[in-house]
Amino acid sequence: DTAVSQTPKYLVTQMGNDKSIKCEQNLGHDTMYWYKQDSKKFLKIMFSYNNKELIINETVPNRFSPKSPDKAHLNLHINSLELGDSAVYFCASSQDLGGEAFFGQGTRLTVV
Amino acid sequence: GQNIDQPTEMTATEGAIVQINCTYQTSGFNGLFWYQQHAGEAPTFLSYNVLDGLEEKGRFSSFLSRSKGYSYLLLKELQMKDSASYLCAVRDPGDKLIFGAGTRLAVHP
Repeated sequence: DTAVSQTPKYLVTQMGNDKSIKCEQNLGHDTMYWYKQDSKKFLKIMFSYNNKELIINETVPNRFSPKSPDKAHLNLHINSLELGDSAVYFCASSQDLGGEAFFGQGTRLTVV
Repeated sequence: GQNIDQPTEMTATEGAIVQINCTYQTSGFNGLFWYQQHAGEAPTFLSYNVLDGLEEKGRFSSFLSRSKGYSYLLLKELQMKDSASYLCAVRDPGDKLIFGAGTRLAVHP
């Protein structure tokens, strides 16, 4: 019954590793997002996809690559992880771009 | 530039009323959201204002003045479960949401 689900919930990994976070929504929404929430609790948009098409691509290092195999899924792959990547990553979806967003439970990434 | 200001922390007493303010200076405006986020959880939608005035939804109300770049979230009959962070977010003309740092509200008995 979970509307937006992302896995894993916790991820601890070493610097230099590559990791992926998966996200799925069963709300039938057209738009999906990745947000990063840092230690100061600022929530910043990273990417937005509408019907599998990249719409918003903020100033994010190339090491971050989103992939949307279909409009219900938006995964985030991160290469060569750095200490500064430690944060909580939230997936979200909305019916239209910029509309009321439904968030997943977050993935707490810790890079050691 | 984009700037959204909210108080960092507020405290209030159970049963009371609290008003959380948000001021913004953004290059363009297409609406303003309020989200609630309990510690360790996901943000959840509370309200959306695009026109000036007050939107009421149960114990929560949100007000917007576009000319003043100002919004507030009003919480009535406070309950302990209202202890959370409240995030103000402006929707820009590109439909991107720009979030403030959030206001951490602590409700005491």
